[in-house]
Amino acid sequence: DAKTTQPNSMESNEEEPVHLPCNHSTISGTDYIHWYRQLPSQGPEYVIHGLTSNVNNRMASLAIAEDRKSSTLILHRATLRDAAVYYCILSSDDMRFGAGTRLTVKP
Amino acid sequence: GAGVSQSPSNKVTEKGKDVELRCDPISGHTALYWYRQRLGQGLEFLIYFQGNSAPDKSGLPSDRFSAERTGESVSTLTIQRTQQEDSAVYLCASGLPPRGLRGYTFGSGTRLTVV
Repeated sequence: DAKTTQPNSMESNEEEPVHLPCNHSTISGTDYIHWYRQLPSQGPEYVIHGLTSNVNNRMASLAIAEDRKSSTLILHRATLRDAAVYYCILSSDDMRFGAGTRLTVKP
Repeated sequence: GAGVSQSPSNKVTEKGKDVELRCDPISGHTALYWYRQRLGQGLEFLIYFQGNSAPDKSGLPSDRFSAERTGESVSTLTIQRTQQEDSAVYLCASGLPPRGLRGYTFGSGTRLTVV
């Protein structure tokens, strides 16, 4: 079983920020936290990953709790094209995905 | 090529026939995963290849499923005596370990329909 837990679904309004949470209370010191997303009818795509420090890239930001037992993927301004299933996964999960969070973006 | 290529993109087969699905990983990527995704469901791990190491076959659902990969090149997933329950999208991903330092790239998948 995956070592992360995420809400099954979330909703957001277009152009508003979205904070997608992930709990990983059994994370080890060497585990990286990865986020992928799967747009409708497409294969998953890599979004971002981090170890301890917060990370930013062109797609999103990753905020990692100080104890590393949780993290949050931040989409700064949601667009309709961000509607997808978002997966949080640890490197020790060996790419075994959980159910993810289905994000719905309302216009 | 620039991405992970899977072929065919769609396959319709009759129950009981064998099918072979192909995955061309990104050049140089030593790791390769196969997944199955049924309609509306999550990603189900099938098999993992890493370089010349013995593959992790722990996700294969039955002995009708097998996969091969020669070195760091193309991989084929074979399903023998297909059943309707095998209908799904089959996804392939490749990457560069150590896994913590690289994201994986997925192909667009093969949609298999068993009729």
